[in-house]
Amino acid sequence: AQSVTQLGSHVSVSEGALVLLRCNYSSSVPPYLFWYVQYPNQGLQLLLKYTSAATLVKGINGFEAEFKKSETSFHLTKPSAHMSDAAEYFCAVSESGNTPLVFGKGTRLSVIA
Amino acid sequence: EPEVTQTPSHQVTQMGQEVILRCVPISNHLYFYWYRQILGQKVEFLVSFYNNEISEKSEIFDDQFSVERPDGSNFTLKIRSTKLEDSAMYFCASKRGSEAFFGQGTRLTVV
Repeated sequence: AQSVTQLGSHVSVSEGALVLLRCNYSSSVPPYLFWYVQYPNQGLQLLLKYTSAATLVKGINGFEAEFKKSETSFHLTKPSAHMSDAAEYFCAVSESGNTPLVFGKGTRLSVIA
Repeated sequence: EPEVTQTPSHQVTQMGQEVILRCVPISNHLYFYWYRQILGQKVEFLVSFYNNEISEKSEIFDDQFSVERPDGSNFTLKIRSTKLEDSAMYFCASKRGSEAFFGQGTRLTVV
């Protein structure tokens, strides 16, 4: 069975500071990995995805994530936080392109001016 | 840009009543999903649908739940007799490749 662990239910950073949101996964097969963002009262929007190509994945809004098989991690980073980045971020894993997503519990990112 | 649309955005229902949540997936997508998110908890998979039948379902998706794609465009989730614990945000998603596109969700409140 697959699972996702997101360390830190709430992360707070200053505007302009580095954003690091942690995600570790468990999967018996090579995983597909995703980061989704949820703004208040909105649905889930895909930030980026890893599907066995390049291990460093670039997404929208300046975010990127690196797949590290040895650490079973897929941490999300952004060099400089913006106020508009404040949202809930979900890491998710699936076995293949068509199997359901298994989500982590989410990390709420706050950005302080 | 194509998007997944869900209606209604918010539904309040009395315990024991039937509700139908509606979704219009992106037109050329082949796989359809329902997920739910209880307030303050993680997003949980309910059911997946492919080729006009359920392809996978979770333990949450018991006999009180059903899905249909009645007319080739809509994809509905029916809860036959709602319970208080069914109160949650319900998300529909569709995909063709590896990326799932989610709707804005329907907030279901059971009173």
